[in-house]
Amino acid sequence: NAGVMQNPRHLVRRRGQEARLRCSPVKGHSHVYWYRQLPEEGLKFMVYLQKENIIDESGMPKERFSAEFPKEGPSILRIQQVVRGDSAAYFCASSPGGLIKNTGELFFGEGSRLTVL
Amino acid sequence: SQQGEEDPQALSIQEGENATMNCSYKTSINNLQWYRQNSGRGLVHLILIRSNEREKHSGRLRVTLDTSKKSSSLLITASRAADTASYFCATDGFGYGNKLVFGAGTILRVKS
Repeated sequence: NAGVMQNPRHLVRRRGQEARLRCSPVKGHSHVYWYRQLPEEGLKFMVYLQKENIIDESGMPKERFSAEFPKEGPSILRIQQVVRGDSAAYFCASSPGGLIKNTGELFFGEGSRLTVL
Repeated sequence: SQQGEEDPQALSIQEGENATMNCSYKTSINNLQWYRQNSGRGLVHLILIRSNEREKHSGRLRVTLDTSKKSSSLLITASRAADTASYFCATDGFGYGNKLVFGAGTILRVKS
């Protein structure tokens, strides 16, 4: 009964390096959401993807951040040229359908904690 | 800005007491959900209440929704030390598209 799998769970990068975070949704789920959480804060929406399509990226910084959800394989959140302010927990969630039609819960992974030195 | 705002920010109670957390939101919604997050872990869905519902129960959880006041409350009865966690409300409000918008959360500590 595999839930949402995220890896790595912890990632340390130096300023200027790239961070790649992976998310495998619940089997059969075709909708993936990425959220960012700063310490002791709530989750901030970043991007919503369906297979091969970005549906809503209104929460993504315009530069250095990108996301994809290819036909085969996990969803990837990529952060280029990381800065200290990128240090946070990044959570992936999945659902079987979009929220408007599905009106259901999101299934979350355990998160990837990025530390930028 | 946050769609949902929880209060209190932090709550400390004794085991066996009830815990009440409140959430206010800004726009009309389809549904409101409550999630729980243990320290260092992912979020776990607790309960969903639809905009046309006023109250919902699940085990020791009771959720109310007042759409006229744009607010919801989560009551945990007979709390246990294992209930210690952060609790977040989330809404899929009109104008927010296909995404859940989370509040800042309430940190609950249950002392044994």
